[in-house]
Amino acid sequence: RKEVEQDPGPFNVPEGATVAFNCTYSNSASQSFFWYRQDCRKEPKLLMSVYSSGNEDGRFTAQLNRASQYISLLIRDSKLSDSATYLCVVNSRTGNQFYFGTGTSLTVIP
Amino acid sequence: SAVISQKPSRDICQRGTSLTIQCQVDSQVTMMFWYRQQPGQSLTLIATANQGSEATYESGFVIDKFPISRPNLTFSTLTVSNMSPEDSSIYLCSVGLAGTHFFFGEGSWLTVV
Repeated sequence: RKEVEQDPGPFNVPEGATVAFNCTYSNSASQSFFWYRQDCRKEPKLLMSVYSSGNEDGRFTAQLNRASQYISLLIRDSKLSDSATYLCVVNSRTGNQFYFGTGTSLTVIP
Repeated sequence: SAVISQKPSRDICQRGTSLTIQCQVDSQVTMMFWYRQQPGQSLTLIATANQGSEATYESGFVIDKFPISRPNLTFSTLTVSNMSPEDSSIYLCSVGLAGTHFFFGEGSWLTVV
């Protein structure tokens, strides 16, 4: 079983739509969770850390469900500029290594 | 935060040759990570480079193919040896600062012909 599993999409949504991505992880001892954004032909960059209590940053909301071992990312009022690949990242059992999901491709359509 | 400089940013290489990628960080870090991202794929960890000790390689990656140097706390190199077209990929250097997340270099885009 992979450490992190993510629906690769693609998700094609109209501007203004709300879209949600989920990511499951296999190691119940994982402590750190992140969502990264990767634009085409660019390196991944941190979008949000994911906290146990959930966190929100503008149109973006990240949540963690430890019981079911998944994290989610919700994007409201999608913009064209949100088109990218979104990667979930989970740390390893030892905490020294991070595992990346395969990424979910999002295209926001005018 | 951390600023990571990688070079070369891109290169086209002949099969059978080797390429060394450099990674420079603007602060001292204990662990540096080298990732590969093949076309259309996610990131795969190649190895963890620790200063003062041998790099730790992940399953499927060996030192003979991907030798790594870590001469100090701000610098590392990854060599892709005896390249084949299957090595065409983006190679990314990364650091994780204590209590925070990962930062990536801009990547080295390698095409082997």
